[in-house]
Amino acid sequence: DGGITQSPKYLFRKEGQNVTLSCEQNLNHDAMYWYRQDPGQGLRLIYYSQIVNDFQKGDIAEGYSVSREKKESFPLTVTSAQKNPTAFYLCATRKSRTAGNTIYFGEGSWLTVV
Amino acid sequence: AQSVTQPDIHITVSEGASLELRCNYSYGATPYLFWYVQSPGQGLQLLLKYFSGDTLVQGIKGFEAEFKRSQSSFNLRKPSVHWSDAAEYFCAVGAGNDMRFGAGTRLTVKP
Repeated sequence: DGGITQSPKYLFRKEGQNVTLSCEQNLNHDAMYWYRQDPGQGLRLIYYSQIVNDFQKGDIAEGYSVSREKKESFPLTVTSAQKNPTAFYLCATRKSRTAGNTIYFGEGSWLTVV
Repeated sequence: AQSVTQPDIHITVSEGASLELRCNYSYGATPYLFWYVQSPGQGLQLLLKYFSGDTLVQGIKGFEAEFKRSQSSFNLRKPSVHWSDAAEYFCAVGAGNDMRFGAGTRLTVKP
């Protein structure tokens, strides 16, 4: 079954904890993205990666970290420095980072601070 | 930098009525334009996209969109809305190495 798999679907974090959201793809896409979605604010780009071992900050990277050790995987760590992490997180991929290529999304992960 | 504006935060239509969702973009060259749909708690699904050529593009689920360069618009339309179309709709512009999304329009369908 092909596609983008995000896990877990629901995650709860205590104050001061780091948590990691998983994103795996078997589409053989080069580019991968992490977006944050808050009600009424659309999607905001956190980090993106064009190739293995390379990634760049998006618009709201503070308090987040990523790695791209394998083409298939692009995990997102929400650190304790992120003061308001409760949101819906979407992972996405693109065949290559070319303007005309479609971005495909995973099913998302809900993160709640308790 | 490119940007996308969806002027309508929330639209309500009756089932069977026609629908038009507005999208305006700002970009110096011809952009690549997309419409996505999102059901609650799910990821985004591509409805249609415009790259070049015919300015009226057909998508899945009976949706279509028209690119109007003079108005910098890419409005989404459907002639007859079904209750299952209730969702959030996002317009996006891909230009250069980036893709920007609008804030979304939430569609409610009345029986």
